[in-house]
Amino acid sequence: AQSVTQLDSQVPVFEEAPVELRCNYSSSVSVYLFWYVQYPNQGLQLLLKYLSGSTLVESINGFEAEFNKSQTSFHLRKPSVHISDTAEYFCAVSGTGRRALTFGSGTRLQVQP
Amino acid sequence: DGGITQSPKYLFRKEGQNVTLSCEQNLNHDAMYWYRQDPGQGLRLIYYSQIVNDFQKGDIAEGYSVSREKKESFPLTVTSAQKNPTAFYLCASRHTPSGTDTQYFGPGTRLTVL
Repeated sequence: AQSVTQLDSQVPVFEEAPVELRCNYSSSVSVYLFWYVQYPNQGLQLLLKYLSGSTLVESINGFEAEFNKSQTSFHLRKPSVHISDTAEYFCAVSGTGRRALTFGSGTRLQVQP
Repeated sequence: DGGITQSPKYLFRKEGQNVTLSCEQNLNHDAMYWYRQDPGQGLRLIYYSQIVNDFQKGDIAEGYSVSREKKESFPLTVTSAQKNPTAFYLCASRHTPSGTDTQYFGPGTRLTVL
């Protein structure tokens, strides 16, 4: 069985400040790891993913995440956030035979001016 | 443009009614999924299908049914047996030969029971 824990349900931060959204997972098999972003009343958009290779992955809008196998973590970071980053962020893993994703409960990032 | 469409965007259901949510994709993806989203609970898997004419139950299939008669379409029926159907429903698809497990999501349908 797999599980994903997002340790913070809400993260308030001021504009231009750095942010880290935490994600820990458990799995008995090798995993792929994902971060998705959801804006209000919309579907999920893929932000970035770790499949193999370099443990640091980056998105086109300045987010990055680092896969840490020993700590079973995949934390999401951004050095300077914008108001437009306000959204809910979901961490997800896959690796079972059904190839479906297991999601964390989400972290709501609230960027304040 | 390639993508996943879901309709309707908002749906209202009376007690005891069955309703069907549409999901269509033109990405030529083999696998399709239905998730339910409730506040503070993330997404939970209802049903999934990896090929046409085949589908499997997910973690919360009770009170739901699906069909997969065409590669492009994976409709979800919420039956009267579903005790608490008010939620946001998300459809996703995946290109299975790529082996990356990356799923792409539709815009969602918000179902409210009156």
